[in-house]
Amino acid sequence: EAGVAQSPRYKIIEKRQSVAFWCNPISGHATLYWYQQILGQGPKLLIQFQNNGVVDDSQLPKDRFSAERLKGVDSTLKIQPAKLEDSAVYLCASSSDRYEQYFGPGTRLTVT
Amino acid sequence: AQSVTQLDSQVPVFEEAPVELRCNYSSSVSVYLFWYVQYPNQGLQLLLKYLSGSTLVKGINGFEAEFNKSQTSFHLRKPSVHISDTAEYFCAVSPNFGNEKLTFGTGTRLTIIP
Repeated sequence: EAGVAQSPRYKIIEKRQSVAFWCNPISGHATLYWYQQILGQGPKLLIQFQNNGVVDDSQLPKDRFSAERLKGVDSTLKIQPAKLEDSAVYLCASSSDRYEQYFGPGTRLTVT
Repeated sequence: AQSVTQLDSQVPVFEEAPVELRCNYSSSVSVYLFWYVQYPNQGLQLLLKYLSGSTLVKGINGFEAEFNKSQTSFHLRKPSVHISDTAEYFCAVSPNFGNEKLTFGTGTRLTIIP
């Protein structure tokens, strides 16, 4: 079974630029999550999708972050414009039930 | 709302020695409890989980954890560690009903000393 795929793995941008991350969940997983992991902290949920609907986006900074999951499969997370404090690893996870989430390798974003 | 405290940010342990990584949580509702491991440059992988039943939970790679409701703790243990156990370990909780949102602790970096 293929795992959760994410791209790119690394990205370096200047502040005020835009960036997008892509995630392809495990086939058949209805729930998809985006997390932000700042260095030295645990992952923080940004947004949760159930199929192509948003379940929870309470911690998503909506003035600059957006996410979509068209057709209920893969997903894109965008930051526009980026700030220095957005430097983090962005993790995508998927699940078929509430008991285990499967994580991708993450995208390490550096904003200079 | 839930919160998780991992007091030890770094734990160095000699190879083949036992280890305990501490996790305490706070919640106004019943929870599920999880330990995830993150190897360098990789995503998180589930080590073990407590959903209900026996308070002693066994996971992969020889790890186990014990749920203590009165102390609101879910400490992770391994009787003999190996070099390959070097990683970051995260404790997490989610409510056992409704939205299964995971709340993570800040992590404990386990370093195995040869």
